[in-house]
Amino acid sequence: GESVGLHLPTLSVQEGDNSIINCAYSNSASDYFIWYKQESGKGPQFIIDIRSNMDKRQGQRVTVLLNKTVKHLSLQIAATQPGDSAVYFCAETNTGNQFYFGTGTSLTVIP
Amino acid sequence: DTEVTQTPKHLVMGMTNKKSLKCEQHMGHRAMYWYKQKAKKPPELMFVYSYEKLSINESVPSRFSPECPNSSLLNLHLHALQPEDSALYLCASSRPDRTSNYGYTFGSGTRLTVV
Repeated sequence: GESVGLHLPTLSVQEGDNSIINCAYSNSASDYFIWYKQESGKGPQFIIDIRSNMDKRQGQRVTVLLNKTVKHLSLQIAATQPGDSAVYFCAETNTGNQFYFGTGTSLTVIP
Repeated sequence: DTEVTQTPKHLVMGMTNKKSLKCEQHMGHRAMYWYKQKAKKPPELMFVYSYEKLSINESVPSRFSPECPNSSLLNLHLHALQPEDSALYLCASSRPDRTSNYGYTFGSGTRLTVV
């Protein structure tokens, strides 16, 4: 299978600070990436996506950066809130029917 | 309707039992998926259905048998499972074509415990 990994398995941030979650992928043919948020007892929830022809994409309080040269993906969360506490997964695909998920980073927001 | 509904939410079964997990979506998605997720691990792909036909089986043991009766429903039939099969089973759906957003919509999962 593919290798999609994260640099940090856990991350703790103060409420109001910005969070950065990183992801490394190994398949240079991957052309579409998604960040998912998974809260306890729930399925993964789509946060933001990016195609390989882009370097950056912004959503509401979230930004995804893609560096194809080093096969690196990051998720930036601005003004992190307690409700952002969850596990975050990156996922990649080059077929559209098979997404490979990274290891996951558990984000804890400290009030 | 923008949801994927999975039933039951929790299931405890013995190793000799036969049970089924159900998944339903009404978003017109023509690709549906089963994933298995162990605690503190990422989801692992099991099966992919595209236009109601099985297109990917990730070498899943035959004690797991998927079925796609129509474009809205996806089942996972379970028989003679082992305790190590205990996990969260996630269903997802998506548009199978590569249009602007073909990310998955996940259900909340079925928490399966095999005793």
